[in-house]
Amino acid sequence: DQQVKQNSPSLSVQEGRISILNCDYTNSMFDYFLWYKKYPAEGPTFLISISSIKDKNEDGRFTVFLNKSAKHLSLHIVPSQPGDSAVYFCAASEQYSSASKIIFGSGTRLSIRP
Amino acid sequence: NAGVTQTPKFRVLKTGQSMTLLCAQDMNHEYMYWYRQDPGMGLRLIHYSVGEGTTAKGEVPDGYNVSRLKKQNFLLGLESAAPSQTSVYFCASSPLTYEQYFGPGTRLTVT
Repeated sequence: DQQVKQNSPSLSVQEGRISILNCDYTNSMFDYFLWYKKYPAEGPTFLISISSIKDKNEDGRFTVFLNKSAKHLSLHIVPSQPGDSAVYFCAASEQYSSASKIIFGSGTRLSIRP
Repeated sequence: NAGVTQTPKFRVLKTGQSMTLLCAQDMNHEYMYWYRQDPGMGLRLIHYSVGEGTTAKGEVPDGYNVSRLKKQNFLLGLESAAPSQTSVYFCASSPLTYEQYFGPGTRLTVT
């Protein structure tokens, strides 16, 4: 039973437009959420996070939105650039629990086309 | 500052062989983790450590053992490799937060 779901395995977006990546979770105890970005042959790198006390967090071109009632979060990238082509993983945790409670989604492959 | 490094980068094993994957971090992080990544499965936690001399099981620990004798190193062992252990293995470390720093990965094939 996947507690963190990324239902879109892939997404193609034109350069300069907005990319929206979605993530759903089932565990209502999750209160801290992260997005990681992964290029081929490299390890994932941390991108942005959000605590459940907020519904939005921005960092430059990246914004994460959290809808707790729907158990849904999304990552917006505006404007999309060629270097954004990568696999994006959503992750969720209980902030004050042990290290083993970080659960990753299966990832969404984002392709930015010219 | 090399961050998190993993040795080796690639390995091919025959069923029943053993091997050890080495992870090293130079950021003085307390927590270290071993994950495996399989197509369509995301990252699944194998074992983790919350400090030197401690280890604990994650989501998929069977067939693996770990040791953390030094704070900067976290070893993952396969005593008798099976084809089901063909995967990409990632090591990560973190301070007392949830933002993990990952190594470049080890691609393991078991034939």
